[in-house]
Amino acid sequence: AQSVTQLGSHVSVSEGALVLLRCNYSSSVPPYLFWYVQYPNQGLQLLLKYTTGATLVKGINGFEAEFKKSETSFHLTKPSAHMSDAAEYFCAVTPRGFQKLVFGTGTRLLVSP
Amino acid sequence: SAVISQKPSRDICQRGTSLTIQCQVDSQVTMMFWYRQQPGQSLTLIATANQGSEATYESGFVIDKFPISRPNLTFSTLTVSNMSPEDSSIYLCSVEPAERQSFEAFFGQGTRLTVV
Repeated sequence: AQSVTQLGSHVSVSEGALVLLRCNYSSSVPPYLFWYVQYPNQGLQLLLKYTTGATLVKGINGFEAEFKKSETSFHLTKPSAHMSDAAEYFCAVTPRGFQKLVFGTGTRLLVSP
Repeated sequence: SAVISQKPSRDICQRGTSLTIQCQVDSQVTMMFWYRQQPGQSLTLIATANQGSEATYESGFVIDKFPISRPNLTFSTLTVSNMSPEDSSIYLCSVEPAERQSFEAFFGQGTRLTVV
């Protein structure tokens, strides 16, 4: 069975600082990987995804993530945090050939002035 | 992309009652998913709803508690039956990618349910 681990339920950064949100997956074969963002009182929005091809993927709002098969990781980064980035971030996986998503426990990003 | 409308957006219900949540999609989709997000928790899949067949429930979820209807390719309902405070959660509807090769699932805004 697939599973996702997000290290750190809360991450606090200062505005302008690097954002790093960690995600590790467990799967017998490399799955498809996703990062979703959830702003307060809203649904989920896709930030970026990895399916095939280049392992460094760029998403919306300046975020990017790198798939590292050897480390079974898909960490999310952004060079410079903005106040508007404060939200809940979820890493998710699905088997190749889209089926249901399996989500991590989420990381709440807090951005201070 | 797919636009998903969920109703109601929030509700406060008495224990022992039932609430039906509606999910309307602006395009035809084969697979629709219902998730639960308990306070401070991640999303957990309740069931997958396919048009023309019974929903497939995940471990820990049963049809008597969460009956689902899927009358056509653009609409589904989830009922939370005989509610207790433990059912207080956000319930989200999701649909499969409009273009299967995109692998981008779309989500409704969610229904915030409080059971008192």
